[in-house]
Amino acid sequence: DAKTTQPTSMDCAEGRAANLPCNHSTISGNEYVYWYRQIHSQGPQYIIHGLKNNETNEMASLIITEDRKSSTLILPHATLRDTAVYYCIVPTSGTYKYIFGTGTRLKVLA
Amino acid sequence: NAGVTQTPKFQVLKTGQSMTLQCAQDMNHEYMSWYRQDPGMGLRLIHYSVGAGITDQGEVPNGYNVSRSTTEDFPLRLLSAAPSQTSVYFCASSYKWGYEQYFGPGTRLTVT
Repeated sequence: DAKTTQPTSMDCAEGRAANLPCNHSTISGNEYVYWYRQIHSQGPQYIIHGLKNNETNEMASLIITEDRKSSTLILPHATLRDTAVYYCIVPTSGTYKYIFGTGTRLKVLA
Repeated sequence: NAGVTQTPKFQVLKTGQSMTLQCAQDMNHEYMSWYRQDPGMGLRLIHYSVGAGITDQGEVPNGYNVSRSTTEDFPLRLLSAAPSQTSVYFCASSYKWGYEQYFGPGTRLTVT
Protein backbone atom coordinates (compact mmCIF):
# COMPACT_ATOMS: atom_id res chain seq x y z
CA ASP A 1 0.00 0.00 0.00
CA ALA A 2 1.00 3.58 -0.58
CA LYS A 3 2.59 5.27 2.44
CA THR A 4 0.84 8.52 1.70
CA THR A 5 -2.61 10.03 2.22
CA GLN A 6 -3.99 12.69 -0.09
CA PRO A 7 -7.41 14.32 -0.49
CA THR A 8 -9.43 12.75 -3.27
CA SER A 9 -10.14 15.99 -5.07
CA MET A 10 -9.62 19.76 -4.91
CA ASP A 11 -10.69 22.79 -6.88
CA CYS A 12 -8.63 25.92 -7.48
CA ALA A 13 -9.43 29.18 -9.26
CA GLU A 14 -7.30 29.98 -12.28
CA GLY A 15 -4.44 32.30 -11.40
CA ARG A 16 -4.54 31.42 -7.72
CA ALA A 17 -2.06 29.21 -5.90
CA ALA A 18 -2.97 25.54 -5.69
CA ASN A 19 -1.83 23.93 -2.44
CA LEU A 20 -1.94 20.14 -2.51
CA PRO A 21 -1.34 18.41 0.84
CA CYS A 22 0.13 14.99 1.45
CA ASN A 23 0.42 13.10 4.71
CA HIS A 24 3.31 10.65 5.10
CA SER A 25 3.46 10.15 8.85
CA THR A 26 5.48 6.90 8.66
CA ILE A 27 8.28 8.35 6.55
CA SER A 28 11.81 7.32 7.52
CA GLY A 29 14.76 9.66 7.81
CA ASN A 30 16.32 8.89 4.43
CA GLU A 31 13.15 8.56 2.35
CA TYR A 32 12.35 11.16 -0.25
CA VAL A 33 8.99 12.69 -1.16
CA TYR A 34 8.19 12.70 -4.90
CA TRP A 35 5.38 14.41 -6.78
CA TYR A 36 4.09 13.41 -10.20
CA ARG A 37 1.00 14.46 -12.11
CA GLN A 38 -1.08 12.81 -14.81
CA ILE A 39 -3.02 14.88 -17.29
CA HIS A 40 -5.99 13.03 -18.85
CA SER A 41 -4.77 9.58 -19.81
CA GLN A 42 -1.21 10.57 -20.62
CA GLY A 43 1.80 9.07 -18.91
CA PRO A 44 2.62 10.70 -15.56
CA GLN A 45 4.98 13.67 -15.49
CA TYR A 46 7.60 14.28 -12.81
CA ILE A 47 7.16 17.55 -10.91
CA ILE A 48 9.57 17.74 -7.99
CA HIS A 49 11.09 15.79 -5.11
CA GLY A 50 12.75 16.56 -1.79
CA LEU A 51 14.16 15.11 1.42
CA LYS A 52 13.85 17.71 4.16
CA ASN A 53 14.50 21.15 2.77
CA ASN A 54 11.95 23.08 0.77
CA GLU A 55 12.47 22.75 -2.96
CA THR A 56 11.47 24.92 -5.89
CA ASN A 57 11.72 24.47 -9.64
CA GLU A 58 10.08 26.00 -12.69
CA MET A 59 6.91 23.99 -12.16
CA ALA A 60 6.24 24.07 -8.44
CA SER A 61 7.42 24.38 -4.85
CA LEU A 62 7.57 21.59 -2.31
CA ILE A 63 7.21 22.45 1.35
CA ILE A 64 8.09 19.65 3.80
CA THR A 65 7.26 20.09 7.48
CA GLU A 66 10.09 20.01 9.98
CA ASP A 67 9.01 16.61 11.33
CA ARG A 68 8.71 15.42 7.69
CA LYS A 69 5.32 13.84 8.36
CA SER A 70 3.57 15.92 5.75
CA SER A 71 4.27 18.07 2.73
CA THR A 72 2.52 20.49 0.41
CA LEU A 73 2.96 20.90 -3.31
CA ILE A 74 2.37 24.48 -4.40
CA LEU A 75 1.53 25.51 -7.95
CA PRO A 76 1.95 29.28 -7.58
CA HIS A 77 -0.34 30.46 -10.39
CA ALA A 78 -2.59 27.60 -11.48
CA THR A 79 -3.76 27.49 -15.08
CA LEU A 80 -6.39 25.36 -16.75
CA ARG A 81 -3.58 23.16 -18.07
CA ASP A 82 -2.71 22.21 -14.48
CA THR A 83 -5.95 20.25 -14.19
CA ALA A 84 -4.68 16.74 -13.50
CA VAL A 85 -4.30 13.99 -10.92
CA TYR A 86 -1.38 14.71 -8.59
CA TYR A 87 0.45 11.85 -6.91
CA CYS A 88 2.57 12.12 -3.78
CA ILE A 89 4.95 9.16 -3.46
CA VAL A 90 7.32 8.10 -0.70
CA PRO A 91 9.26 5.01 -1.80
CA THR A 92 10.22 2.71 1.04
CA SER A 93 13.96 2.85 1.56
CA GLY A 94 15.80 0.01 -0.18
CA THR A 95 12.83 -1.22 -2.21
CA TYR A 96 13.31 0.59 -5.57
CA LYS A 97 9.51 0.77 -5.90
CA TYR A 98 7.34 3.82 -6.59
CA ILE A 99 3.86 3.13 -5.21
CA PHE A 100 1.50 5.69 -6.73
CA GLY A 101 -1.72 5.42 -4.75
CA THR A 102 -4.86 7.21 -5.96
CA GLY A 103 -3.67 10.82 -5.88
CA THR A 104 -5.57 14.12 -5.74
CA ARG A 105 -7.70 15.16 -8.68
CA LEU A 106 -7.13 18.90 -9.06
CA LYS A 107 -9.58 20.88 -11.15
CA VAL A 108 -8.58 24.42 -12.05
CA LEU A 109 -11.66 26.56 -12.63
CA ALA A 110 -11.87 29.46 -15.06
CA ASN B 1 16.24 11.60 -28.15
CA ALA B 2 13.02 9.72 -28.78
CA GLY B 3 12.58 9.28 -25.02
CA VAL B 4 10.53 6.29 -23.92
CA THR B 5 8.69 4.51 -26.71
CA GLN B 6 6.02 1.86 -26.36
CA THR B 7 4.51 -0.43 -28.96
CA PRO B 8 1.83 -1.17 -29.83
CA LYS B 9 -0.42 1.77 -28.88
CA PHE B 10 -3.55 -0.39 -28.91
CA GLN B 11 -4.04 -4.15 -28.74
CA VAL B 12 -6.99 -6.49 -28.48
CA LEU B 13 -6.36 -10.04 -27.33
CA LYS B 14 -8.53 -13.06 -26.76
CA THR B 15 -8.45 -14.83 -23.42
CA GLY B 16 -5.52 -17.23 -23.28
CA GLN B 17 -3.42 -15.51 -25.92
CA SER B 18 0.07 -14.33 -25.12
CA MET B 19 1.85 -11.23 -26.29
CA THR B 20 4.76 -8.92 -25.56
CA LEU B 21 4.48 -5.20 -24.93
CA GLN B 22 7.60 -3.43 -26.06
CA CYS B 23 9.35 -0.61 -24.22
CA ALA B 24 12.55 1.09 -25.31
CA GLN B 25 14.50 4.14 -24.18
CA ASP B 26 17.45 5.86 -25.82
CA MET B 27 18.67 7.83 -22.80
CA ASN B 28 20.98 5.15 -21.35
CA HIS B 29 18.80 4.96 -18.26
CA GLU B 30 19.51 2.28 -15.68
CA TYR B 31 16.10 2.13 -14.01
CA MET B 32 13.03 0.97 -15.92
CA SER B 33 9.58 -0.04 -14.78
CA TRP B 34 6.16 -1.20 -15.91
CA TYR B 35 2.84 0.00 -14.50
CA ARG B 36 -0.75 -0.76 -15.23
CA GLN B 37 -3.65 1.63 -14.79
CA ASP B 38 -7.21 0.43 -14.63
CA PRO B 39 -10.05 2.88 -15.41
CA GLY B 40 -10.40 5.54 -12.71
CA MET B 41 -7.53 4.11 -10.69
CA GLY B 42 -3.96 5.01 -9.90
CA LEU B 43 -0.90 3.31 -11.37
CA ARG B 44 0.23 -0.02 -9.98
CA LEU B 45 3.80 -1.26 -10.34
CA ILE B 46 4.13 -4.60 -12.16
CA HIS B 47 7.89 -5.15 -12.48
CA TYR B 48 10.99 -3.03 -12.41
CA SER B 49 14.68 -3.23 -13.29
CA VAL B 50 17.63 -1.38 -11.80
CA GLY B 51 19.93 -2.32 -14.66
CA ALA B 52 20.58 -4.79 -17.45
CA GLY B 53 20.17 -8.35 -16.22
CA ILE B 54 18.39 -7.32 -13.01
CA THR B 55 14.63 -7.40 -12.58
CA ASP B 56 12.27 -7.67 -9.63
CA GLN B 57 8.58 -7.80 -8.86
CA GLY B 58 6.35 -4.88 -8.07
CA GLU B 59 2.87 -4.76 -6.53
CA VAL B 60 1.02 -6.84 -9.13
CA PRO B 61 3.46 -9.19 -10.93
CA ASN B 62 1.22 -12.23 -11.39
CA GLY B 63 0.57 -13.09 -15.03
CA TYR B 64 3.49 -11.03 -16.31
CA ASN B 65 7.14 -11.72 -17.09
CA VAL B 66 9.96 -9.31 -17.86
CA SER B 67 13.57 -9.48 -18.90
CA ARG B 68 16.28 -6.86 -19.32
CA SER B 69 18.95 -8.16 -21.65
CA THR B 70 20.00 -4.67 -22.77
CA THR B 71 19.95 -1.25 -21.14
CA GLU B 72 17.59 0.07 -23.82
CA ASP B 73 14.80 -2.51 -23.85
CA PHE B 74 12.42 -3.76 -21.17
CA PRO B 75 9.67 -5.93 -22.70
CA LEU B 76 6.63 -7.05 -20.72
CA ARG B 77 5.20 -10.48 -21.55
CA LEU B 78 1.63 -11.51 -20.86
CA LEU B 79 1.74 -15.27 -20.53
CA SER B 80 -1.96 -16.12 -20.90
CA ALA B 81 -4.16 -13.07 -21.22
CA ALA B 82 -7.20 -12.71 -18.97
CA PRO B 83 -10.00 -10.10 -19.04
CA SER B 84 -8.68 -8.80 -15.69
CA GLN B 85 -5.55 -7.67 -17.54
CA THR B 86 -7.55 -5.17 -19.59
CA SER B 87 -5.79 -1.95 -18.72
CA VAL B 88 -3.46 0.80 -19.89
CA TYR B 89 0.18 -0.15 -19.53
CA PHE B 90 2.87 2.47 -18.97
CA CYS B 91 6.60 1.99 -19.16
CA ALA B 92 8.98 4.43 -17.48
CA SER B 93 12.70 4.97 -17.18
CA SER B 94 15.08 7.08 -15.13
CA TYR B 95 18.82 7.72 -15.10
CA LYS B 96 19.12 5.77 -11.86
CA TRP B 97 16.75 4.89 -9.04
CA GLY B 98 15.56 8.07 -7.34
CA TYR B 99 15.93 10.31 -10.36
CA GLU B 100 13.11 11.79 -12.45
CA GLN B 101 11.12 9.10 -14.24
CA TYR B 102 10.10 9.58 -17.87
CA PHE B 103 6.95 7.79 -18.95
CA GLY B 104 5.99 6.40 -22.32
CA PRO B 105 2.62 7.16 -23.99
CA GLY B 106 1.06 3.88 -22.88
CA THR B 107 -0.40 0.77 -24.49
CA ARG B 108 -4.14 0.28 -24.26
CA LEU B 109 -4.86 -3.44 -23.97
CA THR B 110 -8.27 -5.05 -24.13
CA VAL B 111 -8.71 -8.76 -23.40
CA THR B 112 -12.00 -10.28 -24.50
